[in-house]
Amino acid sequence: QLQLQESGPGLMKPSETLSLTCTVSGGSISSDSYYWGWIRQPPGKGLEWIGSIYYSGITYYTPSLKSRATISVDTSKNQFSLKLSSVTAADTAVYYCARDLRNGGWFDPWGQGTLVTVSS
Amino acid sequence: DIVMTQSPDSLAVSLGERATLNCKSSQSVLYSSNNKNYLAWYQQKPGQPPKLLIYWASTRESGVPDRFSGSGSGTDFTLTISSLQAEDVAVYYCQQYYSTPYSFGQGTKLEIK
Repeated sequence: QLQLQESGPGLMKPSETLSLTCTVSGGSISSDSYYWGWIRQPPGKGLEWIGSIYYSGITYYTPSLKSRATISVDTSKNQFSLKLSSVTAADTAVYYCARDLRNGGWFDPWGQGTLVTVSS
Repeated sequence: DIVMTQSPDSLAVSLGERATLNCKSSQSVLYSSNNKNYLAWYQQKPGQPPKLLIYWASTRESGVPDRFSGSGSGTDFTLTISSLQAEDVAVYYCQQYYSTPYSFGQGTKLEIK
């Protein structure tokens, strides 16, 4: 059974770079059938797709975050990561990682999510 | 970019009654070459990640109770819960995957009347 688990700091200061890692277990991140995505959810609000990566390194980002977001993959560790630079309070959210079907685009399964709070 | 709009924002339904949730896309998410609607539905309970219910607008994910059904095509879609159970209280989101950036609706909060 495929499982995803996010890890990273819970509290950050404005202008810092957010760095999160998603560890995939129960399956290979190098499968040619899937992308791997990051989605965030501000407290009490809806879902926002950040971007997705293929095991080869091909990436897609939402335009509003493209200048600040970098998604990378480490196939040797079965992990993929998100870096978001110059964070502000508006980046406070639960960050989820999820599998993204290559010939589809829905997300399943999801990690449990990790809350990142940006505060001075 | 495709904007997804759900209605209503909140809905209260009696146990055992039908719940109807709507989702509208700002442009068609029907891909003509394969006649598939690139639309998914998720259920999110408090403190949990979203759970996939429906993809291709009407295909139920394995393990999802058959009281959940999806319908619609083009720009207008519906998630129907045929007989509401207490465990169905949640926020429901639609998502288009027709084109990037992928986008979600704002959610419909479903409660018991």
